[in-house]
This record gives sequence, structure tokens and C-alpha cells, in this order.
Amino acid sequence: DTAVSQTPKYLVTQMGNDKSIKCEQNLGHDTMYWYKQDSKKFLKIMFSYNNKELIINETVPNRFSPKSPDKAHLNLHINSLELGDSAVYFCASSQARDPTFYEQYFGPGTRLTVT
Amino acid sequence: AQSVTQLDSHVSVSEGTPVLLRCNYSSSYSPSLFWYVQHPNKGLQLLLKYTSAATLVKGINGFEAEFKKSETSFHLTKPSAHMSDAAEYFCVVSDPSGNTGKLIFGQGTTLQVKP
Repeated sequence: DTAVSQTPKYLVTQMGNDKSIKCEQNLGHDTMYWYKQDSKKFLKIMFSYNNKELIINETVPNRFSPKSPDKAHLNLHINSLELGDSAVYFCASSQARDPTFYEQYFGPGTRLTVT
Repeated sequence: AQSVTQLDSHVSVSEGTPVLLRCNYSSSYSPSLFWYVQHPNKGLQLLLKYTSAATLVKGINGFEAEFKKSETSFHLTKPSAHMSDAAEYFCVVSDPSGNTGKLIFGQGTTLQVKP
């Protein structure tokens, strides 16, 4: 059983296009996250939702818009894609927000390539 | 502000020899610290965490880490490396401000295990 799943696994698209990445967790968790891993493998939080409420919104271009239709899903929509958006995007979830007590479980990642 | 610095971008060991991956942290709070592992083309998995209990923390797959406040370090060790340990390792600190669950990642250390 896949705990945190992401679709698609690979996404190749051209500059200027709009694309979405979907994330679903079947763990019954309340909190979900999006991370970006750049070409140097550096990982940074982008967004976090708790019970469908946005709680982390890092310094991310407003071309990126997360959407949480329900607690089990957190999708990432990206408008007007740019070359610099090429990265691996990871979704994660946790039972609650405090990582001291609640582990974040990561999905397998979506490799986005913008040409 | 919280931050972590991984002192080696790449570590190479022979199978059966000890592993040492070094991490220093900076935190204005009593930190919660974590080590995550990322195998090639996979998501991240929590290896172990320090949450102000015992300073020597044992994790999965024979890894352990020691929290040393005087040295602001949280180095990851394993007595004997296996080929399957080859992966990217991230030292992570949590940001407790705002109770958002935000994790701050180090730059990563690539562990190579030679036969």
C-alpha cells in the first residue's frame, strides 16, 4: 500500500505551459507539505496545509498555487512554467504539525523538466 | 534562526568500515534534529531524531547519532557500512516558531560505499 503517492512521476513540458502535480496520502494525516529539491539536491519547504488550511507559504513565486480539496489531497499547480522550475517536487504528510512527535512521510517525488 | 551545515558533500567508504557523516547546527532554541536518507530516485525516509531526551539516538539500519551541545554537532555514524547504505543523507533541524512543522534541510552528503 502506497502511503504518499504523487502523479505524475515524470513531467516534461515547455516554458510558458501550466501544469499540475497531484498528491494523495492514505495515512489519515492532517498535515501535508510540498518541498522542492533543486539540481544540487537542496530541499526546501514550499507550502504546508493543515486540515485544508494553508499554514506555510514560503517565498515562492505566485505562479505556484497549492490546492487542498480535502485532507487526503494536496495538489500543486504551476502557471507559466520557467526553466528554473525544473526540479524534483516532493509531497509529504504527517499526523500533526510538530515534527518532534510526528514523522513526515515523503512521496516518491515528481521530476519536472521544463524545456 | 535555525540552520544546519553538513561538513562533507561527499563521503566514500569501503564496505564493512565505519561511516561518519558530520553535521553542525545553529539554533536559538533547544533544537529537534533529524537525519533523513534518500536512496536514488526515491523519497526521503527518517533515519532517527533527537528531541532533547537521550543524547545518543539510535535509528534504523544500525545508524546512530550523538547530540553534542558544546560542539553544536549531531554527527551520524554506523559501525560497518553496507552496499545498501549508498544514498544521500540530510541533516535536518525543525523550526519551532509558529508551530508550522517546518523542517530546514542541510545541503546533503552523498555516501558512496565501495565493495
